This record gives sequence, C-alpha cells and structure tokens, in this order.
Amino acid sequence: AQSVTQLGSHVSVSEGALVLLRCNYSSSVPPYLFWYVQYPNQGLQLLLKYTSAATLVKGINGFEAEFKKSETSFHLTKPSAHMSDAAEYFCAVGETSYDKVIFGPGTSLSVIP
Amino acid sequence: KAGVTQTPRYLIKTRGQQVTLSCSPISGHRSVSWYQQTPGQGLQFLFEYFSETQRNKGNFPGRFSGRQFSNSRSEMNVSTLELGDSALYLCASSRQGAWNEQFFGPGTRLTVL
Repeated sequence: AQSVTQLGSHVSVSEGALVLLRCNYSSSVPPYLFWYVQYPNQGLQLLLKYTSAATLVKGINGFEAEFKKSETSFHLTKPSAHMSDAAEYFCAVGETSYDKVIFGPGTSLSVIP
Repeated sequence: KAGVTQTPRYLIKTRGQQVTLSCSPISGHRSVSWYQQTPGQGLQFLFEYFSETQRNKGNFPGRFSGRQFSNSRSEMNVSTLELGDSALYLCASSRQGAWNEQFFGPGTRLTVL
C-alpha cells in the first residue's frame, strides 16, 4: 500500500530564508503528486501538482517542487519565506489504479519575523 | 466559478444525537470526497462518491454514512454522535476523482458535547 511521509511535523524558518518541506512516498510507479496548503480555519488549497510532464513543478505563491524518482521524493521549496506562508502543508499521492489519494501527516510551517 | 460550499460552517451537538452535513461541489465536478480532520489523527478519508455511487470508503464505523444526489451535491450523516467525532469535516470535489486535483470547501466544524 502506498504511504506518504513528511519529515518534520513542525518547521520554523526566518522571514526571507529558504523554505524546504520534505515529502517521500513509497510507490515504485510514478504517481500523481500534490502539495496542498491549509491556512487556519480554512480548507485545503492546491499549491501544485506533478503529473509526469516535468520534474520541476511551479506552483502558486512562489512555491515549487521537484520530483526525484530515484529518491521517491517530492520536496517543496520556496526561496524566500514570507509571513503569510505560515500554514499547514500536506503532501499527497494519487493512485489512479485504486482511485484514491493518500495524504501525508502534514507539516506546520512557522515564519519568524 | 463558485467554489465548494459546505453548510453549516459550525455545529454543536450532544452525544447520542445525529447530524447531517452538506456539500455543494464545483459545477461540472462529479466526484465528492469527505475527510475528517483532527489534531491527533490528521486528515482521514471517509468516503468518495462519483456520479451518485460510493466509489471508495475509509476505515470508519457504520455510523458514518453519505450519499450523493443527481446534481452532485453530497451529504454525510453521523448517527449516535460520540465525543470523539468532534472534528473539522472537509468536503472536496474533483472532475475526475479523488486521485486527481481536488478542490476543498472551508469545512464544517462539529463539536460534540
């Protein structure tokens, strides 16, 4: 069964510093990969998705993620953190053969002024 | 284009009661999924409906049920409420299915006293 791990349940960065949120999945077949963001008291919003078109995926709000098949990773990065980036981030894997999505446990990002 | 709407946004019930939550997906989306989100368990998949048929079900007791109508609107019902059912219930819609890009509603915050 597919699984998704996110290293670090809480990550703190200074404003202006690099943001790196890690995601690893277990499938040997390149799946659909997603990053979602959840702001307090809101639902999840799609940041970006990988669908095999390109290994480097650009999303909204300056975020991007790189698919690395050999490492089964899909880490999320942003060059310069902004206070408004403070939120919960979820990595997810979509399995077309089972018609389901597996969400990681989430990483809470704090941005320190 | 209107987003996913959920009603009500907040709900307070007592143990033993039942509750019905409603979700209106984005126009044209035939897939509606429901999730339970709690601080301790994270984001847990309840079930997915596609064109009025339940396509997938998570590991929840039979007290949790759902349905989808011909206009793709969906409802979920929880009977005999328990304290542990207190959570944020999120609905998400998708054009193709839960395995692909999903659009989330703001959620219904259920508190069981």
